[in-house]
Formats: sequence, C-alpha cells, structure tokens
Amino acid sequence: DTVLTQSPALAVSPGERVSISCRASEGVNSYMHWYQQKPGQQPKLLIYKASKVASGVPARFSGSGSGTDFTLTIDPVEADDTATYFCQQSWNDPLTFGSGTKLEIK
Amino acid sequence: EVQLVETGGGLVQPGKSLKLTCATSGFTFSDAWMDWVRQSPEKQLEWVAQIKDISNNYAAYYAESVEGRFTISRDDSKSSVYLQMNSLKEEDTAIYYCTYYGNYYFDYWGQGVMVTVSS
Repeated sequence: DTVLTQSPALAVSPGERVSISCRASEGVNSYMHWYQQKPGQQPKLLIYKASKVASGVPARFSGSGSGTDFTLTIDPVEADDTATYFCQQSWNDPLTFGSGTKLEIK
Repeated sequence: EVQLVETGGGLVQPGKSLKLTCATSGFTFSDAWMDWVRQSPEKQLEWVAQIKDISNNYAAYYAESVEGRFTISRDDSKSSVYLQMNSLKEEDTAIYYCTYYGNYYFDYWGQGVMVTVSS
C-alpha cells in the first residue's frame, strides 16, 4: 500500500503562512487530495488533484506538488482554520490517507 | 444541496453483524460511485469499500481488512448505498462515513455513524 507521511502537528499565529507536507512512499502522479476536518465534523474536500481548489473553498488555500512530495499552503491563516488536515492518494490501489496534521492557531 | 445521511450504527458484540444505510439526495445517484470510509478512535482514516455505477456493472471493491466480511450494495431506485458488516471484530470500531467518490477523490461526506464492537 502507498504510505502517506504527514507531520503530526503545527502551531502558527493568525496572519502567518503555513505549509503542511505530505510525502508518498511511491509516486502518485498528481492524484493527491487534501481534506479539512474540524472537531466533531466530517472531513471536507479542500484541494483535489494536487492543486485544484474545491468549490467554495477560500483562495487562502492552495496546493502544490507531484510525484511523491506535496504541500498544502494556507496564506494567511485565520483562527477558523483550526482543524486536522489529511492528504489522500488515488493513483495506487488501495486508496490511502495520511495520518493527519493537526493545525493549532495560537 | 448534496446530502448523505448514514444510519444503522450502534454497539454490537464481536462476531455479530450490522448493516449501515446511506440515504442520499441532491445529485444523480445512479451515475455516482459510492464509497464507505471509516475513522478509527485514533482518528486514522481508512477506505473500506467502493461500488461503481450500472455502466460499470456495479463493480465492488474492498479493503483487505474487510474483504470477505463486508458487502457493499446499492439501490438506485432509493438513492441509497448499504454496507453489510458480518463477523465484526473489535478493530472494526470506528465512525463510518458514506462518501460520493467524484473524479478520483471524495467529493462529499455524510456526517458519519458510530459502530462500536465490544463484548
């Protein structure tokens, strides 16, 4: 299975720029997607196919990368961005998720 | 507005069965590929199963961890997808989400239903 590795947690102040990384154990082309999960809620699609912003998602969110290294960037960060962010690949079977990066806003 | 509503969760003993239902609205269900994804108490997300549409002969796929125990099915006339879970194990304890699998990603998620397997 394709293992996706994310940093466990990050803490930033409002107004700053934050980058959340996801590294795949094998190439996934551009088929990497990002989800935001706030406490007590279901995950929500943010970015699909590495860099395409999902409908209704603020332009503060962007994605980049291809192959094995991917980044979700939030610029500028707002207090409401407190959440866990998951990456997910759909190039290799089975579909797999990263373990999530918990973002704290100071 | 797209809606996915899961029901059928609960507390069940190891070895027993449970059936989850996901009722949907707001999109053309008959054309959709539908999946179940679960989230463990440790918050890890795991893809569980997928069922494709009639043009793909309703092909179904499963994670290795549930193959042979879980069955995904659908009823296009009711815009619903199901997950029959047999021979449940304690490690199946999780929140189960019904998802609309769009163009290679999980476009929409239900609110989730809790399944607890414990004696």
